[in-house]
Amino acid sequence: AQSVTQLDSQVPVFEEAPVELRCNYSSSVSVYLFWYVQYPNQGLQLLLKYLSGSTLVESINGFEAEFNKSQTSFHLRKPSVHISDTAEYFCAVSAGRDTPLVFGKGTRLSVIA
Amino acid sequence: DADVTQTPRNRITKTGKRIMLECSQTKGHDRMYWYRQDPGLGLRLIYYSFDVKDINKGEISDGYSVSRQAQAKFSLSLESAIPNQTALYFCATSGGGPPREQFFGPGTRLTVL
Repeated sequence: AQSVTQLDSQVPVFEEAPVELRCNYSSSVSVYLFWYVQYPNQGLQLLLKYLSGSTLVESINGFEAEFNKSQTSFHLRKPSVHISDTAEYFCAVSAGRDTPLVFGKGTRLSVIA
Repeated sequence: DADVTQTPRNRITKTGKRIMLECSQTKGHDRMYWYRQDPGLGLRLIYYSFDVKDINKGEISDGYSVSRQAQAKFSLSLESAIPNQTALYFCATSGGGPPREQFFGPGTRLTVL
């Protein structure tokens, strides 16, 4: 069975500073990896995903994540955050043909002006 | 119009009452899911269904039941609500093949007094 660990439950960061949200997974098979974002009082939206190919994936709003198979990690980064990035971020893994996504417990990113 | 809708969006009820949360989707997906979200615990899977005749228990199915009335509809019932079922509930859908990216509804906030 697969599992996901998000190493930080809360990350405060000043506006325009860089940020990294950490995610490690465990799985005995090849995986697909996802980052979802939940803005206050909203549902979850897909931020980016790794399916295959290039290990570095990017979102349209400046986030990127790198799949590292040897370290079983899929950390999310942004070089310069904005107030509007304040949200909760969830890492998720999909493995196996008929298994639902497994989510981490989330990391709450707070951007401080 | 939203692809995944949930009704009601907010509900306050009393201990012992029967509650039904409804989910509808227009994405044409076969797979549907119910999650609950609690602070610090992330998303936990309650039930999922891969087609109309398929129902599977998730991580925390005790105290809940589901009904897949049609491809587009998946309802979650709390037969006798209790206070620790107070949570935010999300419905999600996905297509049948990989990568099984999930699309979420806006959520139902349930309070059991």
